[in-house]
Amino acid sequence: DQQVKQNSPSLSVQEGRISILNCDYTNSMFDYFLWYKKYPAEGPTFLISISSIKDKNEDGRFTVFLNKSAKHLSLHIVPSQPGDSAVYFCAVLPYGQNFVFGPGTRLSVLP
Amino acid sequence: NAGVTQTPKFQVLKTGQSMTLQCAQDMNHNSMYWYRQDPGMGLRLIYYSASEGTTDKGEVPNGYNVSRLNKREFSLRLESAAPSQTSVYFCASSEAGTGLSEQYFGPGTRLTVT
Repeated sequence: DQQVKQNSPSLSVQEGRISILNCDYTNSMFDYFLWYKKYPAEGPTFLISISSIKDKNEDGRFTVFLNKSAKHLSLHIVPSQPGDSAVYFCAVLPYGQNFVFGPGTRLSVLP
Repeated sequence: NAGVTQTPKFQVLKTGQSMTLQCAQDMNHNSMYWYRQDPGMGLRLIYYSASEGTTDKGEVPNGYNVSRLNKREFSLRLESAAPSQTSVYFCASSEAGTGLSEQYFGPGTRLTVT
């Protein structure tokens, strides 16, 4: 049973609009949450993180929201740019354990 | 600063053959990891090394062995390759082990077992 779910395998957004990527998790003991971005033929690169004591973290065009009661994490990209087209993985860190990754969402930003 | 490097980039094996995937990092990180990525499955941890001299099993260790050769290098060995091991393999490193520390990934090795 997957502990981390990204229910949208793909998402298309117009350039300049907002992209919202979602992630749901099953275990309330998760402590730390991250988003990674992956381009084809490259390894994932770290994008943004949030700890369980916060509900929002912003870094430029990227904002991560954490709703602990709903066990839901989202990444907002505003405004979306064609260079944001990539696969986005959410990752969760159970306390004292290793990261667990979601299956990824492929974002396409259309010019 | 090369970050995390992996060799080879591509490999085709026949069932039963063996091979070693190499990984090196130049960031002086303590922890290193091996993941596999399969379609629709995300990244799954095979083995990790929290510090030089230690290795531990991850979620999917069967059919693999690892060696933490020194602080820089962490290799993954397939002793007898099977078609189920066809995947993309990523090595990663981080400053801390299970602490609040993001991981840095290599470019991956695409392995096909026929």
